[in-house]
Amino acid sequence: RKEVEQDPGPFNVPEGATVAFNCTYSNSASQSFFWYRQDCRKEPKLLMSVYSSGNEDGRFTAQLNRASQYISLLIRDSKLSDSATYLCVVNTGFQKLVFGTGTRLLVSP
Amino acid sequence: NAGVTQTPKFQVLKTGQSMTLQCAQDMNHNSMYWYRQDPGMGLRLIYYSASEGTTDKGEVPNGYNVSRLNKREFSLRLESAAPSQTSVYFCASSEARIGRSYGYTFGSGTRLTVV
Repeated sequence: RKEVEQDPGPFNVPEGATVAFNCTYSNSASQSFFWYRQDCRKEPKLLMSVYSSGNEDGRFTAQLNRASQYISLLIRDSKLSDSATYLCVVNTGFQKLVFGTGTRLLVSP
Repeated sequence: NAGVTQTPKFQVLKTGQSMTLQCAQDMNHNSMYWYRQDPGMGLRLIYYSASEGTTDKGEVPNGYNVSRLNKREFSLRLESAAPSQTSVYFCASSEARIGRSYGYTFGSGTRLTVV
């Protein structure tokens, strides 16, 4: 079983739609969680950290469910510029991040 | 702009050739990492350096060596390149403190092709 699993997609949504991605992780001792965004042929960039209480940054909401070992990312009012691959990332030890293979999002006009 | 700088951006090697990928960060981060990214495989950790003077193997270290030259620089060396090492290589750095976890800042990547 992979340490971090994501649905590869692609998720095709129209502009303005709400879309949600889930990610599961296998190591119950995982300490911290992140969502990264990666554009085609670019480096990953930190989108947001994920906190136990849930957190929101503008149109983006991240939630963590430790009991079920999954993380979610909700994007409201999708924009064309949101088209990218979203990577779920889990810290399994001292500063050792494990990356999921990513979920591809395509937002169309 | 502050960040992580990788060189070169592109490289083509013949099987058996050697090369060193360079990485430097100017954010005074303690930890540095080398990842490779292949289609369908995601990012896989090759080596990391938790602090200056230390290096450790990651998930896929075979065929690579690293040097943490100083706090700023962390290089990755391929001694005898193989076609299986064709990939996109990313260097990253992180502040890294005990009890806290920070995200990584990535360089723009090196696209390596071994023929």
